[in-house]
Amino acid sequence: EVQMVESGGDLVQPGGSLRLSCAASGFTFSSYWMHWVRQAPGKGLVWVSHINFDGTIRTYADSVKGRFTISRDNAKSTLYLEMNSLRGDDAALYYCARSRGDYVDQWGQGTLVTVSS
Amino acid sequence: EIVLTQSPATLSLSPGERATLSCRASQSVTRYLAWYQQKPGQAPRLLIYDTSNRATGIPARFSGSGSGTDFTLTISSLEPEDFAVYYCQQRTNWPPLTFGGGTKVEIK
Repeated sequence: EVQMVESGGDLVQPGGSLRLSCAASGFTFSSYWMHWVRQAPGKGLVWVSHINFDGTIRTYADSVKGRFTISRDNAKSTLYLEMNSLRGDDAALYYCARSRGDYVDQWGQGTLVTVSS
Repeated sequence: EIVLTQSPATLSLSPGERATLSCRASQSVTRYLAWYQQKPGQAPRLLIYDTSNRATGIPARFSGSGSGTDFTLTISSLEPEDFAVYYCQQRTNWPPLTFGGGTKVEIK
């Protein structure tokens, strides 16, 4: 069974940092591109970042470019999102998402990031 | 960036009725459009990809059509479990991957 379990979400002050993790199982992690997608409370889905199979290609939404860094450890089947200089509009549920043909065919349950002083 | 506009924002229907949801793109996405369903408290689920292909395990009452800039998701006869929010997503020209704002299908 495919599983992706996110962790690392927390309450953080504006300007602070967090590292999200996504532990994947039930599939060959290294064979898939991966995404982070976020959803603010009561709002729609917003793509954040993507990484290719071996981490050599990484792309970001303009709103997070220069502040967030996506990475992966294929030996540990784990996806990461390092978030710095957090702002109020970064508050959201962050989903780890498996890419299939640039769509998302599997989603984690999300980890909640709250940004508040 | 390709902007996807979904309409209506809310669709109020009864079980057994037909639902027709629209997604319009700001420029052509050819046929590279997907639909997702999201129920409260749950992650989204892929329903349709490349305009009209049902994802694994998706019932035949869900169908997709369209091309270029105008796309439709049709639910032929609403089941109680179909009341949810639906999002479209394009993959033609990215980054960024973009999603529509969503259509909520609610019970009338």
